[in-house]
Amino acid sequence: AQKITQTQPGMFVQEKEAVTLDCTYDTSDQSYGLFWYKQPSSGEMIFLIYQGSYDEQNATEGRYSLNFQKARKSANLVISASQLGDSAMYFCAMREGMAGANNLFFGTGTRLTVIP
Amino acid sequence: NAGVTQTPKFQVLKTGQSMTLQCAQDMNHEYMSWYRQDPGMGLRLIHYSVGAGITDQGEVPNGYNVSRSTTEDFPLRLLSAAPSQTSVYFCASSRTGGRENTEAFFGQGTRLTVV
Repeated sequence: AQKITQTQPGMFVQEKEAVTLDCTYDTSDQSYGLFWYKQPSSGEMIFLIYQGSYDEQNATEGRYSLNFQKARKSANLVISASQLGDSAMYFCAMREGMAGANNLFFGTGTRLTVIP
Repeated sequence: NAGVTQTPKFQVLKTGQSMTLQCAQDMNHEYMSWYRQDPGMGLRLIHYSVGAGITDQGEVPNGYNVSRSTTEDFPLRLLSAAPSQTSVYFCASSRTGGRENTEAFFGQGTRLTVV
């Protein structure tokens, strides 16, 4: 079974609008971490936001927020006030456990296109 | 700050050739890892290390070898390249453990083509 599922291969959003990118995860661990990374066309992986399984509040980083619904095992990324520079691939990833190896399981990604 | 430095950026190999992808980090991270990225499949873990002298296999280790003699360096070796190893390779490093954010810092990636 896939540990991370991103069901939206592609998304379009109008500039200055908000967009939600979906991510569901599968783990039996009580302790885990969830990450979102951005990959622009240049290819580098850029960290956006982190949510720990024990964090009671949703994570926020500037225009990025993570809608964490633990019971539903979802960790959706919300980008507010979209900009042209937000056009990129977005990957959701999970780290199981809280000690030792930080092995990440990645979803297949969502390609976001911001329309002027 | 250099962060994670990965070389080369591009490489073309013939089937059966060997090569080493280099990875170095200057953040004193204990954890380092190698991923490959194929179209439509996201990133998959090849090998990882939790410290000098300690390595282990990830999800797709076949055809690859690693070693970790220092904290800074984590090279990935392809002993006999195959077309199925055509991919983009990323090296990453991070702190280990705890409940806090242990974000992975990635190198720029190596685009490898095996013909």
